[in-house]
Amino acid sequence: NAGVTQTPKFRILKIGQSMTLQCAQDMNHNYMYWYRQDPGMGLKLIYYSVGAGITDKGEVPNGYNVSRSTTEDFPLRLELAAPSQTSVYFCASSYLDVSRNEQYFGPGTRLTVT
Amino acid sequence: SQKIEQNSEALNIQEGKTATLTCNYTNYSPAYLQWYRQDPGRGPVFLLLIRENEKEKRKERLKVTFDTTLKQSLFHITASQPADSATYLCALDTGRRALTFGSGTRLQVQP
Repeated sequence: NAGVTQTPKFRILKIGQSMTLQCAQDMNHNYMYWYRQDPGMGLKLIYYSVGAGITDKGEVPNGYNVSRSTTEDFPLRLELAAPSQTSVYFCASSYLDVSRNEQYFGPGTRLTVT
Repeated sequence: SQKIEQNSEALNIQEGKTATLTCNYTNYSPAYLQWYRQDPGRGPVFLLLIRENEKEKRKERLKVTFDTTLKQSLFHITASQPADSATYLCALDTGRRALTFGSGTRLQVQP
């Protein structure tokens, strides 16, 4: 199994541009998550999904959108990129409710907005 | 407001000693607490999960305690090795089907 994969690994965006961060998992996990991690900080939850067709906001959803059309894929869309969105983005998944099950993380996407 | 605190200063110890990292929380009553390891440029990796009714959990050289009265978890690495050098994150179940993470403590084990 590849686990959780993310593309791209690195990206530089200009202010106002848009992009989609891709995330896929091949473990048949129901729950998927998007986090951002700023330097020296912990992970902040952006959005999560408990199954195909179901998404919910996390702690910092503004400026982002998600969709979950399949169990495997959970893309994160940035519209009108701003410098405040410069961060490392991690996608994660878990089989069931993460409170009692471990999360599996992808390798991250490092995004710079200038 | 809800808060999870981990020592932001790096912890430096000698190889072979026991490393002890602290996670304190306020205004939560989590049923579960997890610890993750994160290496530079990588995603976090799960280490241990402990339930509120478990006082202690062990896995090889790792030990976690969970004191719901003190609202504190301690994470111990015995016989530490330079390969244990990393950032360690604690994460709490906050009742919204997702975890809330602390900012992590960087551990440096000197040979």
